[in-house]
Amino acid sequence: QSVLTQPPSASGTPGQRVTISCSGSSSNIGSNTINWYQQFPGTAPKLLIYNDNRRPSGVPDRFSGSKSGTSASLAISGLQSEDEANYYCATWDDSLLGGFGGGTKLTVL
Amino acid sequence: QVQLVESGGGVVQPGRSLRLSCAASGFTFSGYGMHWVRQAPGKGLEWLAVIWYDGSRQEYADSVKGRFTISRDNSKNTLYVQMNSLRAEDTAVYYCARYNGIYSSWDYWGQGTLVTVSS
Repeated sequence: QSVLTQPPSASGTPGQRVTISCSGSSSNIGSNTINWYQQFPGTAPKLLIYNDNRRPSGVPDRFSGSKSGTSASLAISGLQSEDEANYYCATWDDSLLGGFGGGTKLTVL
Repeated sequence: QVQLVESGGGVVQPGRSLRLSCAASGFTFSGYGMHWVRQAPGKGLEWLAVIWYDGSRQEYADSVKGRFTISRDNSKNTLYVQMNSLRAEDTAVYYCARYNGIYSSWDYWGQGTLVTVSS
C-alpha cells in the first residue's frame, strides 16, 4: 500500500496534454515538497520535477509540476511517443520517512 | 560524473541474510544523505531507509525496521544495507540513491541489484 495515491494508468495521443495526479495528506504532501520521477522498464528512475515545480537541467519544459494543499499534479504537454513510461510522485512525511505513489503507467496512443 | 554502483544481489533462501553495497564516485560522498529504495517485480517503488551524511542518524520504513540496517563508510565512499531474516516479499531490485538537499529529492540513482528470496 503506497503512501501517496496515483491513478494506475493514463493515456493520450501525440501532441495532447496529459496530467497525472498524486494525493496525500497533511503530514506528507501538505507539509513537504513533492518530486516526480520517470522510469522506463528495466532502468532506474530519473528525476523529472523537484521542489513541487522545478525542472532539473535537461528536462524539457513540456514537463511541469504543481501542488495545492495535499495534492499534486504532473502535466506533460505536447505528448510524444518517448514519454511512454511509468511516473512516480514522491515526498516525505513529518517523521522524515520517504514515500512514493503507486506509479502511473502512461500510454501514448 | 556522479556514479552509484550497487552490488551484492543474488538468490538467497528465506530467513537468511545478505549485504548489499553501493559504491559512489564523482562527488563528495561524505556530504550527502543516502537512501535505499526497492522495486518488486512488476510493482512500484518503495522507500526503505535513509542514513545521514555523517552516519549519525538512520530511519527505516516499517516494512524493514528491525531486519535491515543501513550503514556507510565515508572513507570508502560506500553505502551498505544489511538485510536479515529475508522473506519472499523482499524479492526486488534494490537501488541506492543520493539525496540532494537543495532539490529535496533523490537526484542520482544506481542501476539496481536484484535480490531474489527463494528456497
